[in-house]
Order: sequence, then C-alpha cells, then structure tokens
Amino acid sequence: NAGVMQNPRHLVRRRGQEARLRCSPMKGHSHVYWYRQLPEEGLKFMVYLQKENIIDESGMPKERFSAEFPKEGPSILRIQQVVRGDSAAYFCASSPGGRGEQYFGPGTRLTVT
Amino acid sequence: GENVEQHPSTLSVQEGDSAVIKCTYSDSASNYFPWYKQELGKRPQLIIDIRSNVGEKKDQRIAVTLNKTAKHFSLHITETQPEDSAVYFCAASTGTASKLTFGTGTRLQVTL
Repeated sequence: NAGVMQNPRHLVRRRGQEARLRCSPMKGHSHVYWYRQLPEEGLKFMVYLQKENIIDESGMPKERFSAEFPKEGPSILRIQQVVRGDSAAYFCASSPGGRGEQYFGPGTRLTVT
Repeated sequence: GENVEQHPSTLSVQEGDSAVIKCTYSDSASNYFPWYKQELGKRPQLIIDIRSNVGEKKDQRIAVTLNKTAKHFSLHITETQPEDSAVYFCAASTGTASKLTFGTGTRLQVTL
C-alpha cells in the first residue's frame, strides 16, 4: 500500500512566481490536510479537505493561498506571488476519516529566492 | 482554539535510560492525542496515539499516558537507543477527522 505521495520534493521559486504543490493521499483515504513547517519549528495546520470540499481553512492565510481536492487527481496547494516568508516545508497528511490517524507525506520544501 | 504546550524543548539521555516528554492542552473537547517522530529532513511519523477514553497505552518501549482532568499527556520511551534520536511532536484534536494542533517539539538526543 503506497504511502502519501507529494511532489515536487523540492521547489525553488523567485519572488512573485506561483508555487503548486501536489499531494496524493494513501489508497482508501478521502481526507487530506496541509501543514506548514518553518525551520526549527512545529507543524501548523493550514487546510482540511475532502473530495471537492474544503472542510476547514482556518489556518490558511487569507490572501495568495488556495487549496483544492478535485474529484479526480491529487490535492493541490497553490501559492500565488510567493514571498521569502513562504519558504518552508509543506506537508500533507491523509486520513481514512473514521479513526483520526493522519499519515504524512515526505513534504515539499519550498525555497523562495 | 486549541493550544498545546510541550516540554522540554531538548532532552539528552544516555543509551539505555528512559526519556519522558510532557504536553498540556487547553481545549477540554480534545479527545485524540497522537505522537510523531521526525528525523532530520524526513516526514513526521506516527509512533503512538491515545484517545480520551483510555488512560495509558503501550507499544514495546513506548508508552503514552493521559490525564484528562489535568489536561496533560506524556510520552515515555524506555531503554533508549541511538536510533531514538529525533524530534518528537505531540498533538491534539477534537474529533476523529479534524485538524491536529501540534506542540513545539522536543529534540531528543541519545548518547552512547
């Protein structure tokens, strides 16, 4: 059973460009969460999605950030007009929904130059 | 919202000794408490979890205890080994499919 997949693993963007991060949940999991981890810090919740629905986006910055989980394909976290402060590791996690355990992907390390 | 505090921030133990990491939470509605281990540059890995209807759970050298009244929970690692060296995060959530609120992490170093 393949684990949570994320790509790209590393992404370099110049200030003002767009970043697209992809997450494929574990087979059978319909719940996806995105977290951000700044260097030497803990993980901060950003958004929780189920297929075609955003359930909780209370941790998402109001501007420039958006997320989706379409009926087909991976979940995507999109950051428009990136700034240096967006540099971080972005992890997604998936859950079967019924038991609560969240399993993390390997993360995408975004560097904004 | 939920706030999770974690102590200590760093912990150094000798191989074979025990390590204890403590967390407190603020939201009495929280009912699920997982612990994650994160090695440098790697993904957080779920190592053990506990739900609010249980006071203690063990898995080989790892155990977690929960005190709902005091709103704190702890991770205990016995007979530590060098491969236990990592950053450990506690977390809390209020439902089976809701977001996790993480503590700030404990860097555990097991020395020979």
